[in-house]
This record gives sequence, structure tokens and C-alpha cells, in this order.
Amino acid sequence: EADIYQTPRYLVIGTGKKITLECSQTMGHDKMYWYQQDPGMELHLIHYSYGVNSTEKGDLSSESTVSRIRTEHFPLTLESARPSHTSQYLCASSRGGQSTDTQYFGPGTRLTVL
Amino acid sequence: KNQVEQSPQSLIILEGKNCTLQCNYTVSPFSNLRWYKQDTGRGPVSLTIMTFSENTKSNGRYTATLDADTKQSSLHITASQLSDSASYICVVSDRGSTLGRLYFGRGTQLTVWP
Repeated sequence: EADIYQTPRYLVIGTGKKITLECSQTMGHDKMYWYQQDPGMELHLIHYSYGVNSTEKGDLSSESTVSRIRTEHFPLTLESARPSHTSQYLCASSRGGQSTDTQYFGPGTRLTVL
Repeated sequence: KNQVEQSPQSLIILEGKNCTLQCNYTVSPFSNLRWYKQDTGRGPVSLTIMTFSENTKSNGRYTATLDADTKQSSLHITASQLSDSASYICVVSDRGSTLGRLYFGRGTQLTVWP
């Protein structure tokens, strides 16, 4: 079982609200990632970080933002949630940044925007 | 276009039976291929990883094969159990470095009935 945690697990909010999805890992991994996954669809990388104060946008354009002030913490923020943001958000981490390094995933946050 | 296609989309088998899931990819250059298991409401967990020179890898009752010439992989599950019910995701990387990008399939949803 990977030591990577996400809160909340489920979130239902109204349009226009600001939300922050939390992700923490206790494995000391430098690399962290955020993915978006819709039901029956593939995972899409939306943000990643190779270390403290390092963040990059992923392959899928997203209106969310991320920060990496501490190694173990990688929160994702939506300034103004919209129904199009409804999805599952998965956080992951890996010891190295190479594609052969195993990514360990958190349990995910299922977000519903009404 | 780099793509990962999985089949079947869904599969129902009886407990104790064997099954084989397929993954075809067009990703080039090829670095490695990984199979993940994703339980409902959870994050994916890595089962196996294979590089270009490997054509088979086992993890308990899970056996993955790779044919890099035909760009095909399969995941064979032996003596299925109820706990095998999950989505199985094929992930292909195009480079072994930090520049490597991961291409995700949409998964095969396996249901094991008692």
C-alpha cells in the first residue's frame, strides 16, 4: 500500500466556488503528478512537479493551478469551479522522474460541480 | 499518432477461470510497457513493467507478455478471484528518461462472478 493520501475523497460543490484538493505523500518522493480521469476514459496528466518550487503543466490543458512548497505536499486549486471540472482527480508520486520509475497513486478525489 | 488501445472494453468471467486482456500500441520510440490494476474508487497499482528486451513478466497469478515487433501486449490472469474485479490499464512510455511521456489506455473492466 502506497503512502500517498488525498482529501477529500468526494466533493460536491456549486459553480463559482474556490476549491483545493489536497495530496500528501510520506515516501520522500521528489516527483509528484496530478491526473484527471473521466469514467471509462484514460488518465490525462494535468500537472507535475520535479521538486520543491518546481511545477509544470501536463499534456491536458487545465484551468487548475498547483504549488509545491514542501516535498510531501502537492495541492491542486480551482479558483472558480464549473460543471466541466466534474471528474476524478488522481495524485501520484515517484522516487525518480524516469518513465521506468513506478508511480504510486493516491485513492483519488471525485469532484462534482453543480 | 501515439495511441494505446485495449480490448475487450469489458469482460465478465466466473471465479476460478482464466482470462487474457489485450493491449495494442503505436507509441514510438518504445521504452517500456506497464500494466496497472485499478479497483473501483481507488488509484491504479502497478502490476508489471516490461522493457524492450523482456517478453514475459509474472507477478503471482498475473503474467504479462510483450511482442515489441507487433507492438502487442497481453495480461493473463490465472484462476481468477473475486478480488480481481477491477479495471486493468495498459501504459506505454516512449522514452526511458525524464523526457519520457506516458500513454494510457482506457482500461479493460473485468468482473469476476462467484
